[in-house]
Amino acid sequence: DAGVTQSPTHLIKTRGQQVTLRCSPKSGHDTVSWYQQALGQGPQFIFQYYEEEERQRGNFPDRFSGHQFPNYSSELNVNALLLGDSALYLCASSSDQGRPYGYTFGSGTRLTVV
Amino acid sequence: QQPVQSPQAVILREGEDAVINCSSSKALYSVHWYRQKHGEAPVFLMILLKGGEQKGHEKISASFNEKKQQSSLYLTASQLSYSGTYFCGTEDELTGANNLFFGTGTRLTVIP
Repeated sequence: DAGVTQSPTHLIKTRGQQVTLRCSPKSGHDTVSWYQQALGQGPQFIFQYYEEEERQRGNFPDRFSGHQFPNYSSELNVNALLLGDSALYLCASSSDQGRPYGYTFGSGTRLTVV
Repeated sequence: QQPVQSPQAVILREGEDAVINCSSSKALYSVHWYRQKHGEAPVFLMILLKGGEQKGHEKISASFNEKKQQSSLYLTASQLSYSGTYFCGTEDELTGANNLFFGTGTRLTVIP
């Protein structure tokens, strides 16, 4: 049973560019959450998608946006990249049915902004 | 909204026990515990709910004090494989049960 799949695994972008990160949730999961993890820090909540809509959002600017598709996969888009956006971006999936369950995390996308 | 963990780091010898604490200023709906090894994704350990239901591992257990908005993770008879950074994640009643906020992490090192 495949877990959470994220792509790409590593990415280098120039300041001011835009980036799209992708996530396929674990089979049977319908909810996708995105996190930003700086080196040595805990994951910071960006937003959560359920039924193709953003259900909750953390304290991140509008430059961070997302989308969820009918097959539950999701994308995270970041516009006008800043050096401070360099981090590991984690996608986590969960099921909204019969809550609560733990989140299953992907291995992440390491984004470096230069 | 971010919970606070203590200690920040701990070093144990194999077989020793450890306690990691997680504290929030918010009224909590649930507390999650995860372990992350270097370069890997966080792995779910267990969840504790308001009202007392618990799911989890053998030798790794946790408590949840709803009144104090605190949770503790107990690691007994530690093994080398327990090494990693432990994060608590909290869902609070104010913002709802749909966003998980993670603590600052506790780095646990188990040595032979």
